[in-house]
Amino acid sequence: KNEVEQSPQNLTAQEGEFITINCSYSVGISALHWLQQHPGGGIVSLFMLSSGKKKHGRLIATINIQEKHSSLHITASHPRDSAVYICAVGEVVGAAGNKLTFGGGTRVLVKP
Amino acid sequence: DTGVSQNPRHKITKRGQNVTFRCDPISEHNRLYWYRQTLGQGPEFLTYFQNEAQLEKSRLLSDRFSAERPKGSFSTLEIQRTEQGDSAMYLCASSFSLRADPPLSNQPQHFGDGTRLSIL
Repeated sequence: KNEVEQSPQNLTAQEGEFITINCSYSVGISALHWLQQHPGGGIVSLFMLSSGKKKHGRLIATINIQEKHSSLHITASHPRDSAVYICAVGEVVGAAGNKLTFGGGTRVLVKP
Repeated sequence: DTGVSQNPRHKITKRGQNVTFRCDPISEHNRLYWYRQTLGQGPEFLTYFQNEAQLEKSRLLSDRFSAERPKGSFSTLEIQRTEQGDSAMYLCASSFSLRADPPLSNQPQHFGDGTRLSIL
C-alpha cells in the first residue's frame, strides 16, 4: 500500500511570497497528481507528471522519481490561491485501471 | 463543456436510512471512480468502473455499500443502513482511456463537486 505524506499540513503566507508544498510517497507509481480543493469540496486537477518539471502560470510542479518526492511551488502568491492542495499518486489496479492514493492535503492561506 | 455532475450536493439523513447518490461523468469518459473524503483528510479510493464493469473495490467498501454503472454512463452509489461513520464527502471522478493505452498510462481524472452526507 502506498503511503503519501505531505508537508506542511498548514501554511500561511503573505501575498507575493513564494510557497512550497512537499509530497513523498513510498512505492513506485505510474504518475503523480497535484490537485486543488476549494471550500465546498470541488477538486481541480493542476498537474499530472511522471518525470521532470511542469509549469502553468504561477504554479510549478517537480518530481524526483529516484527520491520518490515531488514539490508544488506557487510564485507571487495571491489570496485567491488560498485552498487545500492535495498530492495524489496513481497506481495500476485491475485491468489497467488507475486508482489514486491521496495525501492528507496542505491547507494554504494567503493573506493580503 | 459539462463537467462531472453529482447529485445531490448535500444529503442529511437519520442513522439507519438508505441513501443513493448519482454521478454523471463527462460523456465520452469510459472510466468512473468513487472516492470518500472525511473532514480534514485526503480522499480515499472506494471503487472504479471501466464502462459498466466494476473492476476494483476497496476494503473500505463494506457490504452496506453498492455501486453500479448499468449502461456505462452514469453511476449510483448506495449506502444501506447508514451509520454515523458514513458521514463524509463522496467524490466522483471520470477519465478517458483508450483500450490500446499501455497499462501504466494515466489520464487526468476530472472530479465532480461531491455529495456531502451527514448522518444524524
